[in-house]
Amino acid sequence: KAGVTQTPRYLIKTRGQQVTLSCSPISGHRSVSWYQQTPGQGLQFLFEYFSETQRNKGNFPGRFSGRQFSNSRSEMNVSTLELGDSALYLCASSLLGQGKLGQETQYFGPGTRLLVL
Amino acid sequence: GQNIDQPTEMTATEGAIVQINCTYQTSGFNGLFWYQQHAGEAPTFLSYNVLDGLEEKGRFSSFLSRSKGYSYLLLKELQMKDSASYLCAVRNDKIIFGKGTRLHILP
Repeated sequence: KAGVTQTPRYLIKTRGQQVTLSCSPISGHRSVSWYQQTPGQGLQFLFEYFSETQRNKGNFPGRFSGRQFSNSRSEMNVSTLELGDSALYLCASSLLGQGKLGQETQYFGPGTRLLVL
Repeated sequence: GQNIDQPTEMTATEGAIVQINCTYQTSGFNGLFWYQQHAGEAPTFLSYNVLDGLEEKGRFSSFLSRSKGYSYLLLKELQMKDSASYLCAVRNDKIIFGKGTRLHILP
């Protein structure tokens, strides 16, 4: 089975621009979560999608948004980029994401490293 | 608030045993994960505990005490490739990660 894929892998943008990141989950997985990882804050939860619906959201400003398509692929968008948005953005997929034993494991993609100048 | 604490760094010797502790205070609990993350790579799943007790998987074991809000990851027969960050994460309605423990293995 192919793993979680993310595109692009690296991105350089300037302040004020917007960016869209893409994530394709493992085949059959319906839950996709997005995280931001920085050296100072660690992994921080952005949002989780399940069957095209946002199920949970972390404490990030409205500049961060996402969506999920009917094939479970997900995109996240960051508008009006700030220097502090420079980070590794990780996507993780799981089968159901509802706390069911054996179906709870999240599998991470390689991430998109975003640099904002 | 919700809080997950784990030591920032630990050092151990090749062939030895190391225990990485994690304490958590969260509103709701649906399971605790341990992930390994090598520098520059994505986290990879190690273990998942939802019931109290010890789960053993090869050289790695994970323990959970829900009443104490406590877990540990035990790594035996340490190898140089075990040098990595180890992330503790708790699931309630979302998954909350600790900041990770960077483990250094000395030859």
